[in-house]
Amino acid sequence: DGGITQSPKYLFRKEGQNVTLSCEQNLNHDAMYWYRQDPGQGLRLIYYSQIVNDFQKGDIAEGYSVSREKKESFPLTVTSAQKNPTAFYLCASRVVTSGIDEQFFGPGTRLTVL
Amino acid sequence: AQTVTQSQPEMSVQEAETVTLSCTYDTSENNYYLFWYKQPPSRQMILVIRQEAYKQQNATENRFSVNFQKAAKSFSLKISDSQLGDTAMYFCAFMSRMDSSYKLIFGSGTRLLVRP
Repeated sequence: DGGITQSPKYLFRKEGQNVTLSCEQNLNHDAMYWYRQDPGQGLRLIYYSQIVNDFQKGDIAEGYSVSREKKESFPLTVTSAQKNPTAFYLCASRVVTSGIDEQFFGPGTRLTVL
Repeated sequence: AQTVTQSQPEMSVQEAETVTLSCTYDTSENNYYLFWYKQPPSRQMILVIRQEAYKQQNATENRFSVNFQKAAKSFSLKISDSQLGDTAMYFCAFMSRMDSSYKLIFGSGTRLLVRP
């Protein structure tokens, strides 16, 4: 089955630690995105990548880093510089088919800072 | 900058009845997409329906339809014959075709409860 997987589902971090969230897709999509969701709010864009070996900051990139070494993978690292990292993180990939633009989402990772 | 506003934090509807969720947006662009996403308790984001701004005809997907009023910058979602499985958070989202990121800009969501 084609889709987007994220791991782990739940992640706990101590203050001062860096953690990496995994996002893998087998949909052969070029573009991938990381969004953050806080309670009572919609999703906000952290980073995106349109193509391998290239990525751009989104609206709330401070304290985060990414890499895009393979088309299928777009891991997100939450660094100790992120002041309030507890949130739900969603990865997405984008496809344009017959002129129709759509983003597909993974199941998400819930990060909690202890 | 574009913004998306959902003014109804929570709504409730009786099973089998119809409910309409509101969304307004602000943009100076003419070429964009609008979406409604559903987020059930599993938190998986599921696309419900999309509307291309250049199309005047309102999009429809089975029990879901939209009322797209471009001049008023309004994009409401109507759910007909509501089912218990429709209970979820619903997010309205905007995508600019002029922004090279093609990012989605989300509203704050409406929590819908379908009562048996």
